[in-house]
Amino acid sequence: EVQLVDSGGGLVQPGGSLRLSCAASGFTFNTYEMNWVRQAPGKGLEWVSYIGSSGATIYYADSVKGRFTISRDNAKNSLYLQMNSLRGEDTAVYYCARGVGRGGATLDVWGKGTTVTVSS
Amino acid sequence: DIQMTQSPSYLSASVGDRVTITCRASQSISSSLNWYQQKPGEAPKLLIYTVSSLKSGVSSRFSGSGSGTDFTLTISTLQPEDFATYYCQQSYTTPPTFGQGTKLDIK
Repeated sequence: EVQLVDSGGGLVQPGGSLRLSCAASGFTFNTYEMNWVRQAPGKGLEWVSYIGSSGATIYYADSVKGRFTISRDNAKNSLYLQMNSLRGEDTAVYYCARGVGRGGATLDVWGKGTTVTVSS
Repeated sequence: DIQMTQSPSYLSASVGDRVTITCRASQSISSSLNWYQQKPGEAPKLLIYTVSSLKSGVSSRFSGSGSGTDFTLTISTLQPEDFATYYCQQSYTTPPTFGQGTKLDIK
């Protein structure tokens, strides 16, 4: 079964850091592009970051550029999101999602999400 | 960034109804348009990709059409499990962007 399991969320103070993880199984992870997408409470979906299959190509949303770092370990079938300098507006459910098609931006498999709360 | 606008934002309908949701892009996105369904407390699920291709396992009640800037998602005969929020998304350029969502409620 194709599966993504995201983890690492929690409560963190403003200015703090958190590292999210996404464990992939059931498919050849190192051949797929990956993304992080977030959803603030009661709001819509916002794309956060993209990483190519080898890790060589990376993109970020302007709202997180310079604060978040996406990475992957293909040997461990894992995707990561290092989040620094967290702000209240980063509070959201974060989903990892597999990308296919043009630009790896069609999100065909999603994790269940991990909740990040930034509050003092 | 390309802005995606869905209408309506809220829609009340009954089981058995036919419903249509529209999505407009702020510039042409060719056929790089996807639709997702999200139920409360769950992750989004891909329904339709590149305008009209159904993801494997998705009911044929769902169909998509359009090109350029204007797109539609149609559910032919609403079933109880179809009441959810639907998002369109463009995959034409980075950053990929989503519509604000259409919440489909039971009338």
